[in-house]
Amino acid sequence: QQQVKQSPQSLIVQKGGIPIINCAYENTAFDYFPWYQQFPGKGPALLIAIRPDVSEKKEGRFTISFNKSAKQFSLHIMDSQPGDSATYFCAASSETSGSRLTFGEGTQLTVNP
Amino acid sequence: DAGITQSPRHKVTETGTPVTLRCHQTENHRYMYWYRQDPGHGLRLIHYSYGVKDTDKGEVSDGYSVSRSKTEDFLLTLESATSSQTSVYFCATARGLGYGYTFGSGTRLTVV
Repeated sequence: QQQVKQSPQSLIVQKGGIPIINCAYENTAFDYFPWYQQFPGKGPALLIAIRPDVSEKKEGRFTISFNKSAKQFSLHIMDSQPGDSATYFCAASSETSGSRLTFGEGTQLTVNP
Repeated sequence: DAGITQSPRHKVTETGTPVTLRCHQTENHRYMYWYRQDPGHGLRLIHYSYGVKDTDKGEVSDGYSVSRSKTEDFLLTLESATSSQTSVYFCATARGLGYGYTFGSGTRLTVV
């Protein structure tokens, strides 16, 4: 059972654009929502994470927006660069289920020069 | 991921043979995980460990077993490899529950 749905599967933007990747979840017990970035041939790396007590978190050019009532969260990349081209995964976990991460299907982002 | 080493990085094996993948960490993290990555499925949890000799099944554990006899090593065994187990396997560690994971660089396994 897929508990975290991610969209779109792929996304192409021009340099300087603001790609947005969305995730929706079903389990209301989820209390930790990280985003991972993965380059080809590498393992995923933690990018930014949010907990449900805040609606937005920014780290550099990366922003997470969180809507608890809609059970959705999204990643925005400001002033995107070709070096941001990668696969992005959202994930979620709950303390009540041992904090094991459940991942979305991934979004392949291409930022054209 | 300099603190997590997965071996081998690539392996081709025949259907029906046993295969063991190794994850070695120098982070002294208590929590360790094995995921497989397949197109359209993201990362799916195979097995996890909350400490030495403390392991449990994830969502796609059929055909896999694990062992953790030392904090630093987490082994994943495919008991009798099948073509459906062709995948990229990632090991991850966490320093505590509710913290982000650190991933290794992965093992690309092909079962022919």
